[in-house]
Amino acid sequence: DTEVTQTPKHLVMGMTNKKSLKCEQHMGHRAMYWYKQKAKKPPELMFVYSYEKLSINESVPSRFSPECPNSSLLNLHLHALQPEDSALYLCASSPSGDGYTFGSGTRLTVV
Amino acid sequence: GENVEQHPSTLSVQEGDSAVIKCTYSDSASNYFPWYKQELGKGPQLIIDIRSNVGEKKDQRIAVTLNKTAKHFSLHITETQPEDSAVYFCAAGSSASKIIFGSGTRLSIRP
Repeated sequence: DTEVTQTPKHLVMGMTNKKSLKCEQHMGHRAMYWYKQKAKKPPELMFVYSYEKLSINESVPSRFSPECPNSSLLNLHLHALQPEDSALYLCASSPSGDGYTFGSGTRLTVV
Repeated sequence: GENVEQHPSTLSVQEGDSAVIKCTYSDSASNYFPWYKQELGKGPQLIIDIRSNVGEKKDQRIAVTLNKTAKHFSLHITETQPEDSAVYFCAAGSSASKIIFGSGTRLSIRP
């Protein structure tokens, strides 16, 4: 298995909702990442997990809460989002900090 | 921190011709330089990468060159085909921390 699987593919949520994005990989990669990508822009790093521990938080607002339950799973919990948080959320994994494999992303719309 | 500049932002070439995309980086500590291809509705896909101890790397029609002194690196695609049409991102960083993406180049192949 050489893929990163993200669910759901599309999500529409209200500003008072709580939702979660899920990412899964079975390549034995020890680093996992969350990126945010706005239209016609490059991916922007949000969080890095290394060996299931949060190693980088790029000053992301607390309404985004990451979680790494085990070495194969990465979640992003969403609460009280704003319309400007609408974007493509990408998960990636890598064996040792390079050679990232990206998932296809979750397209999030906040209404 | 690292800053990556990418040019051009759009590029249109005739099928069969070559395409060149150029990037510069600012942090001399960066030692890892990947290139990603992103098709519509998909996550970025790693197409080639190079490390700072190598000046050039080639994989079939794709090649990357690195000039550490000038802090420049470039992607060369030869014999372009319609399926090469996509957005290409360069990135720079360290496998020990994180990579920063360039702003992207939209490549169109004219039939």
